[in-house]
Amino acid sequence: GQQVMQIPQYQHVQEGEDFTTYCNSSTTLSNIQWYKQRPGGHPVFLIQLVKSGEVKKQKRLTFQFGEAKKNSSLHNTATQTTDVGTYFCAGWATSGSRLTFGEGTQLTVNP
Amino acid sequence: DAGVTQSPTHLIKTRGQHVTLRCSPISGHKSVSWYQQVLGQGPQFIFQYYEKEERGRGNFPDRFSARQFPNYSSELNVNALLLGDSALYLCASSFGWNEQFFGPGTRLTVL
Repeated sequence: GQQVMQIPQYQHVQEGEDFTTYCNSSTTLSNIQWYKQRPGGHPVFLIQLVKSGEVKKQKRLTFQFGEAKKNSSLHNTATQTTDVGTYFCAGWATSGSRLTFGEGTQLTVNP
Repeated sequence: DAGVTQSPTHLIKTRGQHVTLRCSPISGHKSVSWYQQVLGQGPQFIFQYYEKEERGRGNFPDRFSARQFPNYSSELNVNALLLGDSALYLCASSFGWNEQFFGPGTRLTVL
């Protein structure tokens, strides 16, 4: 079955540093979505990418969708303490009917 | 507009018992999906319902079942509970295969 892998599992940065998380799918995706979950909370939608090679920016976040539509990345610049949480990618397979989540990257920030 | 609501918030059951979790989607959303999230992992897809029909099923045993009602609310039922069923159960509503709006979840503890 479809698998979505995310690295790194943990990311610890100093406030003001950048961080990047990577997502790889075992199958081609029709779209990829990114979510953020704060400690004790529920996943909150950040963005959706649909087109091959698509790049989207949202404040300090930059999202990319790979040319083969099997990988994606999230890059955050000048990380702030409010960015703390777990970032998940999730993909809809072209042939599937389920949204498959990665294991997430847990971000902690040292002020 | 109210977001996705779930009930109950917390639940404690013993092994072998049965549980019913409830979800009310955002008004206008016809798709409801259920996810299981074990601590430290990404949400695992259980079911998706669209217009009261099952559109997707994850790799969960037959002890898990769900249904969607004419008002688009949904129930998730789990029979013969096992210790490993302890998790946060998330419901998400959407217009289809796009942005998922998650509810706060039901924390199930099986003793």
